[in-house]
Amino acid sequence: DGGITQSPKYLFRKEGQNVTLSCEQNLNHDAMYWYRQDPGQGLRLIYYSQIVNDFQKGDIAEGYSVSREKKESFPLTVTSAQKNPTAFYLCASSIVGGGGTDTQYFGPGTRLTVL
Amino acid sequence: GQNIDQPTEMTATEGAIVQINCTYQTSGFNGLFWYQQHAGEAPTFLSYNVLDGLEEKGRFSSFLSRSKGYSYLLLKELQMKDSASYLCAVRGGTRGGYNKLIFGAGTRLAVHP
Repeated sequence: DGGITQSPKYLFRKEGQNVTLSCEQNLNHDAMYWYRQDPGQGLRLIYYSQIVNDFQKGDIAEGYSVSREKKESFPLTVTSAQKNPTAFYLCASSIVGGGGTDTQYFGPGTRLTVL
Repeated sequence: GQNIDQPTEMTATEGAIVQINCTYQTSGFNGLFWYQQHAGEAPTFLSYNVLDGLEEKGRFSSFLSRSKGYSYLLLKELQMKDSASYLCAVRGGTRGGYNKLIFGAGTRLAVHP
C-alpha cells in the first residue's frame, strides 16, 4: 500500500526538550512538506523540501529543524526554542510537476502536547 | 496581503445540498484545491480547479471564478459521514520555484438527520 506514515500519533514532551516527529512516504514523491495546524487557523507551512539534501523554510520555521537525507523520509525536530509547540503536525508529499498533478497528500498527523 | 476566507461553521440536513464558499486574495494564482478533514485526521484531497467553471466528481462539485477570486464546493445528497471540515487552499505565487499552498481556516460542516 502506498502512502504517508507519521509516528507517533500522540506525543508528549516536557518544556525544554527537543522532540523529533517522523514522516515517511513510499509514493516516490520528490517533494515533502511539514505543516502545523492550530484550532481556528489554516495550515501553516513550517518547512518544505523539493529534492534530497535540500530544504527551505516556510512561514513559521523558527524553533524547528528538518533533514532530508533520503527521498522517503523528512523528519521534523521541534526544538526548545519553539515557544508554543503544542499543535497538530501534518506531513505531506507531492510530485514536482506543476498543474494539478502536484497535489499534496497528507499523512495522518502527530498531535504534540507540551506539558 | 494574502487572505483566504471561508465561513467558520455550517449545518445541513441529511439528503440535502450544501454550498461552501471560499474567497481569496493572493499575490499569484496557480490553482485552487479543496480538502476534506475529519476531526483529528489528515486532510484528504477532494478537487482541483485552475480554469473557470465547474468540476464535477460524483456527489461533490467545485466551481472557480478567477476574476472574482471565488470558489465554492457543492455537496449533494448529504450523508452523515460528510460531517467534517472543508479546507480551501490556493496555490499562489512562486517562491524560489515553489508554488506555495495557502490554506483557509476551514469550514466545519455538521450534517443532521
